[in-house]
Amino acid sequence: NAGVTQTPKFRVLKTGQSMTLLCAQDMNHEYMYWYRQDPGMGLRLIHYSVGEGTTAKGEVPDGYNVSRLKKQNFLLGLESAAPSQTSVYFCASSLTGTGNSNQPQHFGDGTRLSIL
Amino acid sequence: KQEVTQIPAALSVPEGENLVLNCSFTDSAIYNLQWFRQDPGKGLTSLLLIQSSQREQTSGRLNASLDKSSGRSTLYIAASQPGDSATYLCAVSSYMTTDSWGKLQFGAGTQVVVTP
Repeated sequence: NAGVTQTPKFRVLKTGQSMTLLCAQDMNHEYMYWYRQDPGMGLRLIHYSVGEGTTAKGEVPDGYNVSRLKKQNFLLGLESAAPSQTSVYFCASSLTGTGNSNQPQHFGDGTRLSIL
Repeated sequence: KQEVTQIPAALSVPEGENLVLNCSFTDSAIYNLQWFRQDPGKGLTSLLLIQSSQREQTSGRLNASLDKSSGRSTLYIAASQPGDSATYLCAVSSYMTTDSWGKLQFGAGTQVVVTP
């Protein structure tokens, strides 16, 4: 029972490099989310998706892009990495939205990203 | 704008003592409130979800209360064990409307250490 799987688990990048983080869920969830977690700041929403082919901006979207070509996958891209993007990135999914149902969000184990 | 605060940021208790974790929020118009557990290097695991119409929710040794009017929730963990050592985060969900998707707003968490 995999749940939400994130790859890679760790990555070190140089400033200006690009990369894509992959999130896959096997629970047939409609909603998927990308968060970043920084010390003392809790989790902040970067982008989210309410279904296949849809994406929307969250609280801190600048410098990131996302795509949801397949229902089970949600990709987070960094086009030109900056040291300020050093963080732990979490993907989550839920059956329906959190604002109109009481379905919890299920989280992956995170990707630890360092930008030098 | 909804703000979620968890005080204290860290807490250490001897094994067997009851744990009391606090969460406060500024906007009482919430859809639900969730408590999560986060182990080091891992993602978040949903512990309890309290709907806005509920006053409390229980699961085993865990009990969470909700007082919307005062903007507070408390997570009680009875008879703490070393295995309860983790970071506990609360998150509130706003209502989904035509202008808002009902996002989840997280607190920064309380790091708990239960000493044998």
